[in-house]
Amino acid sequence: EPEVTQTPSHQVTQMGQEVILRCVPISNHLYFYWYRQILGQKVEFLVSFYNNEISEKSEIFDDQFSVERPDGSNFTLKIRSTKLEDSAMYFCAGSLEGNEKLFFGSGTQLSVL
Amino acid sequence: AQTVTQSQPEMSVQEAETVTLSCTYDTSESDYYLFWYKQPPSRQMILVIRQEAYKQQNATENRFSVNFQKAAKSFSLKISDSQLGDAAMYFCAKSGTYKYIFGTGTRLKVLA
Repeated sequence: EPEVTQTPSHQVTQMGQEVILRCVPISNHLYFYWYRQILGQKVEFLVSFYNNEISEKSEIFDDQFSVERPDGSNFTLKIRSTKLEDSAMYFCAGSLEGNEKLFFGSGTQLSVL
Repeated sequence: AQTVTQSQPEMSVQEAETVTLSCTYDTSESDYYLFWYKQPPSRQMILVIRQEAYKQQNATENRFSVNFQKAAKSFSLKISDSQLGDAAMYFCAKSGTYKYIFGTGTRLKVLA
């Protein structure tokens, strides 16, 4: 079965540093999402991306966050100046159509020190 | 605002027994999907089962089945013949075109 690939699996950074989390979605998917999960807590929506633009974003997704799909394959999440509270597992997900099954990547564990 | 509620933070079941995990949701939409995802200790999100809201028939996948009550906005997951490998966090989720909402999860323990 096709997979969503996320790199790196673990990222450690210093507070205030920029990080880029990378995702390669399934090739025929059209809708892309970033979610995050603090250990033991709920899966929180960050942003969705369709037709090369942001479709919807949550309150968490402030000016420190950005997404892009620069080359039609990679889908990246950038955090410009990381905070301690950004420490979480970040999941990339995709679907062929809206309202369809979400395929998740295996996540990037971000630790901000 | 749309919400998904899982009122059971933790459940336990004896191996080979049956357990039901509860989920309720709130929406004004008529067309949507509901999902149960399993998250084992590896933290990978694995789709267990999916229900289309316009279908009255409850979805089944081997030992997993749902009880979908659209009018009551209820979507419970039944696991039959529970196995040790079923131990995980289970998240209920509701689709939207640009946003899927997840519940807070139920941790399922399977006792040998």
